[in-house]
Amino acid sequence: EVQLVQSGGDLVQPGESLRLSCVGSGITLNNYLMTWVRLAPGKGLEWVSSIDGSGGGTYYADSVKGRFTISRDISGNTLYLQMNSLSADDTAIYYCAKGRGQLPYWYFDLWGRGTLVTVSS
Amino acid sequence: EIVLTQSPATLSLSPGERATLSCRASQTVSTLLGWYQQKPGQAPRLLIYDVSNRATGIPARFSGSGSGTDFTLTISSLEPEDFAVYYCQHRNNWPLAFGGGTKVEIK
Repeated sequence: EVQLVQSGGDLVQPGESLRLSCVGSGITLNNYLMTWVRLAPGKGLEWVSSIDGSGGGTYYADSVKGRFTISRDISGNTLYLQMNSLSADDTAIYYCAKGRGQLPYWYFDLWGRGTLVTVSS
Repeated sequence: EIVLTQSPATLSLSPGERATLSCRASQTVSTLLGWYQQKPGQAPRLLIYDVSNRATGIPARFSGSGSGTDFTLTISSLEPEDFAVYYCQHRNNWPLAFGGGTKVEIK
């Protein structure tokens, strides 16, 4: 079965860091635009960050720019989101998602199950 | 930065009725807009891309229309499994963005 397996969510204190992981199973992530999207309590979906299939381009929402870093490990077929200087506003379920395999790429047709990040003292 | 505004926030309908959901962009996104469905406890599912193209496996009762700044998702006859939250998303430029969502609930 083709799927994205997520891990890394946790309860952390404000100011701390966390790294989320998303492993491709039955699919080679390097071939696709990959994205992180979050869903905060009582809110709607928020696009967080994306990385090109080539890995050469990375993109961030203003709300996370300078604090979050998206990257991928080709050999491990893994997508990461390094999150620093976390605040309560970052509390959310974080989803990784794969871009379509053909044009247009910038819609997401395979999603992980989500991982919960809670920032609280 | 393009902002997407969805209306109404909540739509209360009965199975078999027609649902019409709106998404308005703060500036033109041409036809570069899609729709997702999300049910509680589940990940989003891509329904429509570039206004009117159904994603793989999406039933024909889902259709999209619009261009520029005003877009519509129509569900022709609601099935029990269609009660969920729906989001629009543009791909016009970076940053990508989602709308705030419309919840379709059972009346």
